[in-house]
Amino acid sequence: ETGVTQSPTHLIKTRGQQVTLRCSSQSGHNTVSWYQQALGQGPQFIFQYYREEENGRGNFPPRFSGLQFPNYSSELNVNALELDDSALYLCASSLAQKNIQYFGAGTRLSVL
Amino acid sequence: GESVGLHLPTLSVQEGDNSIINCAYSNSASDYFIWYKQESGKGPQFIIDIRSNMDKRQGQRVTVLLNKTVKHLSLQIAATQPGDSAVYFCAEASGGSNYKLTFGKGTLLTVNP
Repeated sequence: ETGVTQSPTHLIKTRGQQVTLRCSSQSGHNTVSWYQQALGQGPQFIFQYYREEENGRGNFPPRFSGLQFPNYSSELNVNALELDDSALYLCASSLAQKNIQYFGAGTRLSVL
Repeated sequence: GESVGLHLPTLSVQEGDNSIINCAYSNSASDYFIWYKQESGKGPQFIIDIRSNMDKRQGQRVTVLLNKTVKHLSLQIAATQPGDSAVYFCAEASGGSNYKLTFGKGTLLTVNP
């Protein structure tokens, strides 16, 4: 186990709704990254948070947004859900100056 | 642009055999590579990493080889066990000290008893 916890484990939403996913980083880790993994594909980088600021972003629209809190936990928010947003959303934590990212088990989001 | 890909989408081996999983990358500026293992219903699990100034790194039953000339990465698993059955991803890291990871599509390794 990595110590990275994500909630909820599964979620079902309908198109147009909004969703918030949560992540608690491993103890001592101050950097959180979010990834989207479609079925049968590798994870795709959404964005990274360091010291409560966005520290890099992948090719995702602005309706994907995030927050990092003083305790380094993080949220991923997705507005105006689309069917293609159905995926496994992974959170990974790391030390700012270290490269190894440790992943949680993910949140499975289904958009109907 | 950047891309990380795998030569073989599936690999089936007998228990006890050695496994080799290959990966090609296209970004010659990449300076850090990581192998992850993902079992069904779980997140990716770190296996081993290697920096671009190295060509080989060994861990417990695993070895990663890096050939920068042909932009090729491989993961060797010795004495493969049923518990090694999973999808294996290579990932390229970039972005300074706070790296983002670019993953390939993955290789499904099946170990037959």
